[in-house]
Amino acid sequence: SAVISQKPSRDICQRGTSLTIQCQVDSQVTMMFWYRQQPGQSLTLIATANQGSEATYESGFVIDKFPISRPNLTFSTLTVSNMSPEDSSIYLCSSLGSRDSSSYNEQFFGPGTRLTVL
Amino acid sequence: ILNVEQSPQSLHVQEGDSTNFTCSFPSSNFYALHWYRWETAKSPEALFVMTLNGDEKKKGRISATLNTKEGYSYLYIKGSQPEDSATYLCASARMGNQFYFGTGTSLTVIP
Repeated sequence: SAVISQKPSRDICQRGTSLTIQCQVDSQVTMMFWYRQQPGQSLTLIATANQGSEATYESGFVIDKFPISRPNLTFSTLTVSNMSPEDSSIYLCSSLGSRDSSSYNEQFFGPGTRLTVL
Repeated sequence: ILNVEQSPQSLHVQEGDSTNFTCSFPSSNFYALHWYRWETAKSPEALFVMTLNGDEKKKGRISATLNTKEGYSYLYIKGSQPEDSATYLCASARMGNQFYFGTGTSLTVIP
């Protein structure tokens, strides 16, 4: 299983600014994901961060708003651009892996970044 | 998009009580069902991965059952303790590694 760290753990930002969230995995992983959870909502997938190519975005999310980098197999960043109060959310990164060779894939999560936009 | 629903949205129980909550998901093209436990300011922690109809998994005082034909899973906590307070998330996984999460059940155990 992977251990994932994120920073910052929380931030309060002004409308119109941008914030970059970093995600570090303690081992090389093929797949990394970015999710958000808005208040009262489910964890929603923003995009799959692909190493060496552009991220794959889910419906409703675009690269201009949420640019993602994945320079190697252990690190990714998500930027929330031109923020508005509606972007206030918890943002989580995750990686896909299994505890052992016989297990189904699980998602291992970072602790999340709690963002408040004023 | 897969519609995964959890109920209740929140729950308050007294220490020592047993409790359970539900995750419902579309039964077509089912692949796997995941339960996670998410404490505030911590990473969601995987509890169970369930794949077969009739599966029952247990981890200490927590157990889960799976019915893939009717599309639901139950999570049970026996003798709730304050440290069980957390949000419990379920996710239905499709082949291709796409996970669809419910909104979670927030459990508060009152000492």
